[in-house]
Amino acid sequence: DTAVSQTPKYLVTQMGNDKSIKCEQNLGHDTMYWYKQDSKKFLKIMFSYNNKELIINETVPNRFSPKSPDKAHLNLHINSLELGDSAVYFCASSQWDRSYGYTFGSGTRLTVV
Amino acid sequence: QKEVEQNSGPLSVPEGAIASLNCTYSDRGSQSFFWYRQYSGKSPELIMSIYSNGDKEDGRFTAQLNKASQYVSLLIRDSQPSDSATYLCAVVPSGAGSYQLTFGKGTKLSVIP
Repeated sequence: DTAVSQTPKYLVTQMGNDKSIKCEQNLGHDTMYWYKQDSKKFLKIMFSYNNKELIINETVPNRFSPKSPDKAHLNLHINSLELGDSAVYFCASSQWDRSYGYTFGSGTRLTVV
Repeated sequence: QKEVEQNSGPLSVPEGAIASLNCTYSDRGSQSFFWYRQYSGKSPELIMSIYSNGDKEDGRFTAQLNKASQYVSLLIRDSQPSDSATYLCAVVPSGAGSYQLTFGKGTKLSVIP
């Protein structure tokens, strides 16, 4: 059983397009996250949701919009894609107190051409 | 800005040697500390967590925490080529930033057969 699953795994698209990445977790966790990992491998938080409520919204262009229909799902929609959006996007989940760390999804490699 | 610092490496060790990975953090109130391993093209995988000063051992891995020095380390004994990966230090900060794990930029480890 996959604990945190993301789709798609790879996404190649042209500048200006709109795309979505989906994430689902079956761990019963109540908090989910989106992280961006750049070409230098630095993981940076983008958004955090707890029980469908937005908790963190770091300095991210408003072209990025997360949506959480329920606490097991957290999707990421990106409008008007730019070359600089090319990166690996990881979904993760945890219990609210975060004491036991995160479980990551397998990542979505986004390439904007 | 609550920061986590790691030497980016690469750190090269011969097979069978002890690999020592270091991490410092700026937030003195941090309480939870994690080490993640990330193979190239894969997602981060939690390998160790530590919450109190001292050593914690799990198989070939030992995590060490010194809160007074704001320092956490990971020792890998009897290093194997399969240990070659990037190791990410992560910290749960105190206060307003406690909704997220803050990651260091990672140390790339190469174990030479």
